[in-house]
Amino acid sequence: QVQLKETGPGLVQPTQTLSITCTVSGFSLTSYYMQWVRQTPGKGLEWMGFIRSGGSTEYNSEFKSRLSISRDTSKNQVFLKMNSLKTEDTGVYYCARMYHFDYWGQGVMVTVSS
Amino acid sequence: DVVLTQTPSILSATIGQSVSISCRSSQSLLDSDGNTYLYWFLQRPGQSPQRLIYLVSNLGSGVPNRFSGSGSGTDFTLKISGVEAEDLGVYYCMQATHAPFTFGSGTKLEIK
Repeated sequence: QVQLKETGPGLVQPTQTLSITCTVSGFSLTSYYMQWVRQTPGKGLEWMGFIRSGGSTEYNSEFKSRLSISRDTSKNQVFLKMNSLKTEDTGVYYCARMYHFDYWGQGVMVTVSS
Repeated sequence: DVVLTQTPSILSATIGQSVSISCRSSQSLLDSDGNTYLYWFLQRPGQSPQRLIYLVSNLGSGVPNRFSGSGSGTDFTLKISGVEAEDLGVYYCMQATHAPFTFGSGTKLEIK
């Protein structure tokens, strides 16, 4: 069955880089787009960007200058990297399959604090 | 960016009661391909969002048929026909017609 699971550092210091991995099973990344969404206390749910089945990406301009989404299809993994973290980036980060947003991971809590 | 305004922000219902949630968009969500990319999600306490409805009115797999979606253009509605205890949580609408995709601010459903 389809499963998605995010793994990440939990705690990141301000100005540092956040790296999160989404490991999927039950489908191929070459057949589906994958997106990243975060949920913060200040702004609620925010769409961050996606990676197409062919590997190209689109980003929310709000994050464009510091966000990167990539993947390793051989490992069934999608990656989020965001630099220059601020305390306002504290929240839960989700990966989701973009076939009408049908499957979401459990999310990973990230705290940005010194 | 497209702004989605959900009302009410809090909804209190008894078991068996029918309720509706409104989602109004600042722009038409009708895409040039003829689809309207409006979705509804439920986020239960401590869980990730779960898709209920896609493309305005299509019921997601495994979603009970007491949930229904309707609307067009800028006005959309999620209806629950006979609330059950498991329906408590926060409901969100989301649009994926215009980039960046955006979410409503949520409607919290409480069970009396």
